[in-house]
Amino acid sequence: QSALTQPASVSGSPGQSITISCTGTSSDVGGYNYVSWYQQHPGKAPKLMIYEVSNRPSGVSNRFSGSKSGNTASLTISGLQAEDEADYYCSSYTSSSTLFGGGTKLTVL
Amino acid sequence: EVQLVESGGGLVQPGGSLRLSCAASGFTFSSYWMHWVRQAPGKGLVWVSRINSDGSSTSYADSVKGRFTISRDNAKNTLYLQMNSLRAEDTAVYYCARGQWQIDYWGQGTLVTVSS
Repeated sequence: QSALTQPASVSGSPGQSITISCTGTSSDVGGYNYVSWYQQHPGKAPKLMIYEVSNRPSGVSNRFSGSKSGNTASLTISGLQAEDEADYYCSSYTSSSTLFGGGTKLTVL
Repeated sequence: EVQLVESGGGLVQPGGSLRLSCAASGFTFSSYWMHWVRQAPGKGLVWVSRINSDGSSTSYADSVKGRFTISRDNAKNTLYLQMNSLRAEDTAVYYCARGQWQIDYWGQGTLVTVSS
């Protein structure tokens, strides 16, 4: 039950694109197409942004996209906006548990 | 509207017990898997436990196995987390959350503080 690995921080300027990686193993990220991504603003509950690797829930901007290659999943945010500044977490379903990444703090410069 | 409202948090001494509750509304509770996820102050999200829709299957993080018990009452639309032998490192906001393959709704959380 090891946590998934994310970079601690990323940054970008308004209008730019950034990508956050999430690395697991063949037993979690690589073994299931059930990777999800969450956005969390300070003091708030997390919000689902991407599910099943690349699907966006209704109401989530199409500036958010997800992908996966092998044991690594990625979240890309294009056209960065000030309100995108938040913590982002990846998660993977497994048959015996649910794993989260350590979180990535996105700073919009 | 989906609502998940946690309660039962508070201050407890090391070695003590606490039971968290999560009242669900706005959806057919008995059809969904449910989770508890915690977040220590200033730290990241950590999955704690999950339970399937009819309560027949449960899973736990290694850090709480043998100390915490997840359960549900589908007639009352309520999820529970019984926490025993609490340690300082269990101090966190505990979120109730809905979903199987992914968590799609979260409660606002309840703070549990383990301290003497």
